[in-house]
Amino acid sequence: DIQMTQSPTSLAASVGESVTITCLASEDIYGSLVWYQQKPGKSPQLLIYGATILEDGIPSRFSGSGSDTQYSLKINSLQPEDFASYYCQNGLSTPYTFGAGTKLELK
Amino acid sequence: QVQLMESGPGLVQPSETLSLTCTVSGFSLTSYNVHWVRQPPGKGLEWMGVMWSGGSTDYNSALKSRLSISRDTSKNQVFLKMNSLQSEDTTTYYCARDEATVAPYFDYWGQGVMVTVSS
Repeated sequence: DIQMTQSPTSLAASVGESVTITCLASEDIYGSLVWYQQKPGKSPQLLIYGATILEDGIPSRFSGSGSDTQYSLKINSLQPEDFASYYCQNGLSTPYTFGAGTKLELK
Repeated sequence: QVQLMESGPGLVQPSETLSLTCTVSGFSLTSYNVHWVRQPPGKGLEWMGVMWSGGSTDYNSALKSRLSISRDTSKNQVFLKMNSLQSEDTTTYYCARDEATVAPYFDYWGQGVMVTVSS
């Protein structure tokens, strides 16, 4: 199984700041990396797929990058609604494993 | 519009079998894949398995011996059955849609159903 190591586990930031979350795959996943946002009590929401492709309706302050085994999610100019948990996911092969998540909290 | 809705018992006895239904609307099960994902309280996401649009299935090897996914396309429903439930199976179960032909991504999710395993 492909292991997804996400860091940091938690992150405190202020509105207006930029943050980066990273995801390391245990093997090359050839850009098949997906990012989700989840707010408390809600279902996950798709942000980015194919490592860099922004889902329709997602603000452009979210961006994804990376290749091979290393991937990143960057959020520019944090807005109040961005404080949530974020998960990466291996989209290459089953089991489609998730990272353990990053909780983004308001400083 | 696209919707997925999970349904099932909120409480299951230890060692018994969980049966959940994902009822979908706004898309065809023969054109899209439906995955099951679960999330223990306060923890991360675990992919459980998938009903591919063509009717075949794949399962997480950690759950494969206990898990079965099936569907009824005429009713727009996907079913999950998992036996020998234990306390660690207390979690929220989600179904999610995937349209990708190469690398899946889940663009629509159900609201989730919380299942507690307890006597």
